[in-house]
Amino acid sequence: EAQVTQNPRYLITVTGKKLTVTCSQNMNHEYMSWYRQDPGLGLRQIYYSMNVEVTDKGDVPEGYKVSRKEKRNFPLILESPSPNQTSLYFCASGRPMRNNEQFFGPGTRLTVL
Amino acid sequence: DQQVKQNSPSLSVQEGRISILNCDYTNSMFDYFLWYKKYPAEGPTFLISISSIKDKNEDGRFTVFLNKSAKHLSLHIVPSQPGDSAVYFCAASQGGSEKLVFGKGTKLTVNP
Repeated sequence: EAQVTQNPRYLITVTGKKLTVTCSQNMNHEYMSWYRQDPGLGLRQIYYSMNVEVTDKGDVPEGYKVSRKEKRNFPLILESPSPNQTSLYFCASGRPMRNNEQFFGPGTRLTVL
Repeated sequence: DQQVKQNSPSLSVQEGRISILNCDYTNSMFDYFLWYKKYPAEGPTFLISISSIKDKNEDGRFTVFLNKSAKHLSLHIVPSQPGDSAVYFCAASQGGSEKLVFGKGTKLTVNP
């Protein structure tokens, strides 16, 4: 089954404790992206990757890091989480020039205390 | 600066009637538009899209209309069903870019 998976689905952590949210896709997509969804703000892009070893900032990259060492994986790293990073995070993947349709993972709800 | 705007946070319609969800954009360089549907506890799923060379695209009960001069698009759902109750996001991109700019979403409730 074609899908984007994220882990963990739910996470409660404390300020300053480094964490990684994993994202994996099995559709051989070149493009991957991270979004956060906040009430009243919709979906905002954090980082994206056009292919292996190619990453770039989205609209709200502060406080986040990403890496793309393999085509299928695109982890999101919070080196020192803060309460304002409490949010619902979505990973997505897509194939360039294919109608821009992106496939989203199920989401990771992160709470930073 | 919000480039994609969905000014109605919520919409409630009766089952069987038409649902019309609206979206406005400010960036005239946008040339591809998409609608995504999101159920609680799930990721958004692609619903329908339209290129700027068209003014209408239809897929079953769903039709998207694009008015480039007004920088406005709308999603029509006919007839509406209770299973259509979800949050609908409008998104736009430009020049073949993979980057999508999303609106804030409209929560649709279809009452039986």
